[in-house]
Amino acid sequence: QKEVEQNSGPLSVPEGAIASLNCTYSDRGSQSFFWYRQYSGKSPELIMSIYSNGDKEDGRFTAQLNKASQYVSLLIRDSQPSDSATYLCAVTVNDMRFGAGTRLTVKP
Amino acid sequence: GAVVSQHPSWVICKSGTSVKIECRSLDFQATTMFWYRQFPKQSLMLMATSNEGSKATYEQGVEKDKFLINHASLTLSTLTVTSAHPEDSSFYICSARDPAVLAGSTDTQYFGPGTRLTVL
Repeated sequence: QKEVEQNSGPLSVPEGAIASLNCTYSDRGSQSFFWYRQYSGKSPELIMSIYSNGDKEDGRFTAQLNKASQYVSLLIRDSQPSDSATYLCAVTVNDMRFGAGTRLTVKP
Repeated sequence: GAVVSQHPSWVICKSGTSVKIECRSLDFQATTMFWYRQFPKQSLMLMATSNEGSKATYEQGVEKDKFLINHASLTLSTLTVTSAHPEDSSFYICSARDPAVLAGSTDTQYFGPGTRLTVL
């Protein structure tokens, strides 16, 4: 079982819609959870971090964490074409492990 | 967020040569830096953890004699790919932890812009 699993996509949503990205992790000792955005040919850019169960909102982004289900998600409201990228879920126990990423396309 | 730079941003070299990549934390002191490798359409794979003043910790399957890591100061870590071969062609990305970031976010890593290595 992979340590961090994401649906590779591609996920396609129309402009203005809500994009929902999901991630599961295997290590119950995981302490910190992150979502990074990576444009093609570029390095990852931190979008959100979440450490406790529940929701965390930052602008159009909401991260949700459920440690009992070992599940973390990212919602992007009012999706824009500029949100089209690969979204990486990362989980930290002793070091940071990344999922394979979900490719999101927002169509105008 | 904190700023991490890498140099060079891209490099093309001949098979058998060595290539050095620098990773610098510009506005903070990073006791720990990380080196990742990313092949096309794949996720980031941690290669090694670079600790200032001590030996790097390598992930399983990563040859420490081939990928030399030096973390000589609190703001600089270098990765040297020795005797590079075409299969080493990849996107190499470093990241650093900012120890000044407070509780709850101490694990946040900031990534450099990456170095694209092409070995002919």
